[in-house]
Amino acid sequence: GAVVSQHPSWVICKSGTSVKIECRSLDFQATTMFWYRQFPKQSLMLMATSNEGSKATYEQGVEKDKFLINHASLTLSTLTVTSAHPEDSSFYICSAAGLAGADTQYFGPGTRLTVL
Amino acid sequence: AQSVAQPEDQVNVAEGNPLTVKCTYSVSGNPYLFWYVQYPNRGLQFLLKYITGDNLVKGSYGFEAEFNKSQTSFHLKKPSALVSDSALYFCAVSTATTDKLIFGTGTRLQVFP
Repeated sequence: GAVVSQHPSWVICKSGTSVKIECRSLDFQATTMFWYRQFPKQSLMLMATSNEGSKATYEQGVEKDKFLINHASLTLSTLTVTSAHPEDSSFYICSAAGLAGADTQYFGPGTRLTVL
Repeated sequence: AQSVAQPEDQVNVAEGNPLTVKCTYSVSGNPYLFWYVQYPNRGLQFLLKYITGDNLVKGSYGFEAEFNKSQTSFHLKKPSALVSDSALYFCAVSTATTDKLIFGTGTRLQVFP
């Protein structure tokens, strides 16, 4: 149980384009989903927290107009990187916490974004 | 503010020997403590957690961790390391008042055959 998927697993795009990453909780309902960014050989940096049906809460320094987050249902959250630039290249990881055991986050496999 | 320290960037251990990956934390209030493991180019896998109760917590793949309130530590241990345990290990903390996880910088565990 507690499986979280992400799609795509990797994406390469041109500078200036937008990229959407999906995060799904496959076998549980996720009241809260989190989006992290991880640079090579570094820890995870929380970007934002989203609750189903409400606006995401962004961490300080994260541009909400650049990183659009939508949590449309209890099993799906999306992160859209708008007008991507090479400095947005990173490993993006989502996690989900459910109604039961909400203290534990379960992580997706991550999405490697490369912006050319 | 919450914080987590993993003082070792890398831990090397021979297969079959016991391993310890260290973690200390700082929070206001009672901590919720977690260990996750990350394999190359993958997300994090949940290993174990301490919320309340017995200070010794047993988790996946034979790992365990001991909550020590006086030392504010939550070290990860395994009695006999496997080569397949080689990975990046993250300690994380949250509390009852926040659902945010604060991660340590990670410790790379290398188990040699």
